[in-house]
Formats: sequence, C-alpha cells, structure tokens
Amino acid sequence: DIQMTQSPSTLSASVGDRVTITCRASQSISSWLAWYQQKPGKAPKLLIYHASSLESGVPSRFSGSGSGTEFTLTISSLQPEDFATYHCQHYNSYPWTFGQGTKLEIK
Amino acid sequence: QLQLQESGSGLVKPSQTLSLTCAVSGGSISSADHSWSWIRQSPGKGLEWIGYVYHTGSTNYNPSLKSRVTMSVDRSKNHFSLNLSSVTAADTAVYYCARNTVAGYYFDFWGLGTLVTVSS
Repeated sequence: DIQMTQSPSTLSASVGDRVTITCRASQSISSWLAWYQQKPGKAPKLLIYHASSLESGVPSRFSGSGSGTEFTLTISSLQPEDFATYHCQHYNSYPWTFGQGTKLEIK
Repeated sequence: QLQLQESGSGLVKPSQTLSLTCAVSGGSISSADHSWSWIRQSPGKGLEWIGYVYHTGSTNYNPSLKSRVTMSVDRSKNHFSLNLSSVTAADTAVYYCARNTVAGYYFDFWGLGTLVTVSS
C-alpha cells in the first residue's frame, strides 16, 4: 500500500494567515491526489483533485500543488470557516489511502 | 443536487455481520461515469477506504478487508449496500458512502455518515 504522511499533524494559525499543509506519498503517485476538508461531526468535503484542480464552488483562496511524492495545500488568507481538519488521499493505485489528517486550529 | 444517505444497524454484536445501505437521490446509480464507495473513520483516527461497487455489480475491495466485505448494487432502488462479516470492536467507526468519478477516483459527494458500534 502507498502510505500518505501529512505534516504538521496540528497547525495553529490566525484569521488572515497564509498556511501550507504538506502531504508526502511513500512512492510516486503522479498527480493522483485529492484534498478534503472535514469539520467536526461532518463528512469530508472535496476541495482539490488531480493535485491542483479546484472543485466547483470551493473558494479560490484554496490551492494545491505538487506531483510525484510531495504535495501541498495552501490557504492564502485564512477565514473563520476554514478551521477544520484536512485530509489528503491518493488514487494512483489500489488500495486508495488517506493521510492521517492535519487539524487547523485557531491561534 | 446529488444526495447520499446511509442507513442500517447502529449496534452490531461481535462476530456478527454489519449491514448498511446507501440511498442515492438526485442522480442515477446507473451512471457509467461513477462508482460507489464505502469509507470508514474510526473514532479519532483517519479515513479508510473499504471498497467500491459499479452499477454493473463489479467490485474492488481494500485487501485489508477483502475477506470480510461484500458490496452490491440495486439499480431498481437506486441504492448500494455493504456487508462486513465477523466484526470486532476494531470495526467500530463512522461509515460513509461516497461517489467516485471514473475520470479520477476521488470522492466528490459523501453521505452524512452513520456510526456503527460493535459491542455485546
């Protein structure tokens, strides 16, 4: 299985900050990567697919980049509603696996 | 707007079979462009993909669960199902159903999730 490792596990930031979350794959996954946002008690929500394509309806302050084994999710200016847990997921090969999640907290 | 809704037993005894159904509304489960997955999230832990079923009935399961998983689709009812046999406490989790696109197997629509507890 391909292991997905996110860093940091927890990130403290303030409204208006620019933040970056990293996801590393244990082997190359080309650009077959998605990012999700999950709020407590809710299902994950798709933000980014194919590493850098923004899902319809997702604010443009979210962006994704990377290919191969290293990927980033960037939020350009944090809004109050962005404090949540973020997950990456590869779909390069079976089984599809997720990172352990990054919790974005208010500083 | 597509909606998915999980239903089924919320409490299952150890060694028994967990059974869940996902009702699809606002779209057809017979879409050639999509497959239908189950994903679970154990309390305080990460997400685990269980497997998917296509409208033809073809399936693909996570090898870690393959020996215990069965998925099926009922096109007449526009729903799909999950059976997980021989459950233990480690199978206690929130179970989500979700839609995949076949253009890239990310999950673009999710159900609300349902908590299944394995306990005697």
